[in-house]
Amino acid sequence: EAQVTQNPRYLITVTGKKLTVTCSQNMNHEYMSWYRQDPGLGLRQIYYSMNVEVTDKGDVPEGYKVSRKEKRNFPLILESPSPNQTSLYFCASSVSTGANYEQYFGPGTRLTVT
Amino acid sequence: GDSVTQMEGPVTLSEEAFLTINCTYTATGYPSLFWYVQYPGEGLQLLLKATKADDKGSNKGFEATYRKETTSFHLEKGSVQVSDSAVYFCALSGTDTGRRALTFGSGTRLQVQP
Repeated sequence: EAQVTQNPRYLITVTGKKLTVTCSQNMNHEYMSWYRQDPGLGLRQIYYSMNVEVTDKGDVPEGYKVSRKEKRNFPLILESPSPNQTSLYFCASSVSTGANYEQYFGPGTRLTVT
Repeated sequence: GDSVTQMEGPVTLSEEAFLTINCTYTATGYPSLFWYVQYPGEGLQLLLKATKADDKGSNKGFEATYRKETTSFHLEKGSVQVSDSAVYFCALSGTDTGRRALTFGSGTRLQVQP
């Protein structure tokens, strides 16, 4: 089954404790992206990756890091989480060609930083 | 920059009622337009899309027409069911072919009562 998976689905942590949210896709997509969803704001892009070893900032990159060492994986790293990073996070992937930009989303990771 | 405006929710309807969720957008160029649906506890799923003016996207009884003259992409369904209860997001594709970011509206929660 074609899918995007994320782990963990739920995470409660404390300020300053480094964490990683994993994302993996099995569709051989070149493009991957991270979004955060906050009430009343919809989804906002954090980082994206056009292909292996190619990453760039989205709209709200502060406080986050990413890496793309393999095509299927795109982890999101919070080196020193703060309470304002409490949010619902989604990973997405798509092909890199064509203008439709149809993206496939993972199930989400709900992060709480206390 | 690009933006998407959706009607405020929640929208509460009785089963078999007619549904309209308004969506208007601001964008440079000629974006593609999407409706995504988020069921409780799940990620976003693509519901329908339209890639050029006057295109009509349709799926599962839902329809939306890309209206360039009014910059709108309203979602409609003739007869809603309880199972349609979810949050609906209107989105557009960026014209930055590198970033491929989707710009989302804030979402509209639909509640359908039996």
